[in-house]
Amino acid sequence: GENVEQHPSTLSVQEGDSAVIKCTYSDSASNYFPWYKQELGKRPQLIIDIRSNVGEKKDQRIAVTLNKTAKHFSLHITETQPEDSAVYFCAARSLNAGGTSYGKLTFGQGTILTVHP
Amino acid sequence: GAGVSQSPSNKVTEKGKDVELRCDPISGHTALYWYRQSLGQGLEFLIYFQGNSAPDKSGLPSDRFSAERTGGSVSTLTIQRTQQEDSAVYLCASSFSGGQFFGPGTRLTVL
Repeated sequence: GENVEQHPSTLSVQEGDSAVIKCTYSDSASNYFPWYKQELGKRPQLIIDIRSNVGEKKDQRIAVTLNKTAKHFSLHITETQPEDSAVYFCAARSLNAGGTSYGKLTFGQGTILTVHP
Repeated sequence: GAGVSQSPSNKVTEKGKDVELRCDPISGHTALYWYRQSLGQGLEFLIYFQGNSAPDKSGLPSDRFSAERTGGSVSTLTIQRTQQEDSAVYLCASSFSGGQFFGPGTRLTVL
C-alpha cells in the first residue's frame, strides 16, 4: 500500500520567514495530494490540495508543488504569521486494494510548525 | 450546509464496556472515513466507506472494532470490550470527489 513520509517533524521560524514542509510517497498511481492544518484541540482543516495533472498551485501565502517523477510534494508558506503555528499533515490518495477506485488517504506523520513573533 | 457532526463529543467508559460513536457526514458526500488520533500523534486510518462498495476495513486494529454505514449516510463505529489503549480522539471525515472534511471528533477515555 501507499506510504507517505513527511519532514521535518518540527519546524521553528521567525515571523515573516518562509516555511517549507516536504512529503514523499511510494505509490506512483496516487493522484491527489491534500494538506491539512490542525490547531491544538481542533479538527484537521483542508488548506490546499493538488492533483497529479498539475505541478504547482498557489493560494495567497500558501503554495504546493508536486514532482511526480520523484514522487514528492511540498507545502510552502510565505510571510509566516504566529497564527500559522499548528500541526500540518500531508496526504496522498491511492487506489484501493483491488485497484478499482481511488479514495483512501494515507497521511504523513505531521509537522509541528511554530512561528515566533 | 452543515459540516460533519459527531456524537458524543466526549465519552468516558470503563474497561470492558462497549461503546458506539456516531458520525453524520455532509449531505451528498459519498465517502466516509474513520480515523483515530492519540494525543500528539498523527491520523491512524481505521475504515473507509465509498457508496455501495464493500468498505475498506484494512485499518481496523482488532476484531473488537467494527463500523456500519446505514443508507449511505450516518455511520456508527463500535468498539467492543474497550481497553485502555483504545483511549484517543476518533475522527470522522466525509468527501465527494476531493478533500476530506473532518468532524470535531469524539474523545474516548477508557478507565
